[in-house]
Amino acid sequence: TQLLEQSPQFLSIQEGENLTVYCNSSSVFSSLQWYRQEPGEGPVLLVTVVTGGEVKKLKRLTFQFGDARKDSSLHITAAQPGDTGLYLCAGAAGSARQLTFGSGTQLTVLP
Amino acid sequence: DTGVSQDPRHKITKRGQNVTFRCDPISEHNRLYWYRQTLGQGPEFLTYFQNEAQLEKSRLLSDRFSAERPKGSFSTLEIQRTEQGDSAMYLCASSFPQTGIGNTIYFGEGSWLTVV
Repeated sequence: TQLLEQSPQFLSIQEGENLTVYCNSSSVFSSLQWYRQEPGEGPVLLVTVVTGGEVKKLKRLTFQFGDARKDSSLHITAAQPGDTGLYLCAGAAGSARQLTFGSGTQLTVLP
Repeated sequence: DTGVSQDPRHKITKRGQNVTFRCDPISEHNRLYWYRQTLGQGPEFLTYFQNEAQLEKSRLLSDRFSAERPKGSFSTLEIQRTEQGDSAMYLCASSFPQTGIGNTIYFGEGSWLTVV
């Protein structure tokens, strides 16, 4: 069974601060995705990373895939209240079609 | 809107009743997935279709659950004899085979089920 552990589970910060969310596993994933989910809505895809060591930037968000493709991080610079939401990482392993999700990090950015 | 569409968005039902959810995927996507999400948890995989064929089923999908995709387009997820533990958000997602850039799937807004 492949498990993805996210940390921290909850994060409350002030507007303008930086933060990092971690996603770790003992399993190797062929690709890893980050989603953001708001209450009562489905997850919205932010990024997909597929290459070990890959770094992708999306405005103030920086995503990194670990060299061994077992872990990933999401760094947000100068967080804004609009960044508030549940951040989920999800991995696909080998030829498996389904994604394994982490339990999420609930981020609250206070104005 | 050309995203994944789910109906109904919310359903409240009495324990023991049957419920059915519908999903319309993105039109060019031949893969369709059902996931279940409970409060405070990430989505859990239930089942996957490629065109009309149901190729994978999770152990979470008990015999009270059945999913179909008869024409390879929309899909239905039926839960028979609902139990309070079935209360969750049921998410549908779709994808198109993309070589070399990972299995990127796109989710609908979900169908909330409350069993009372």
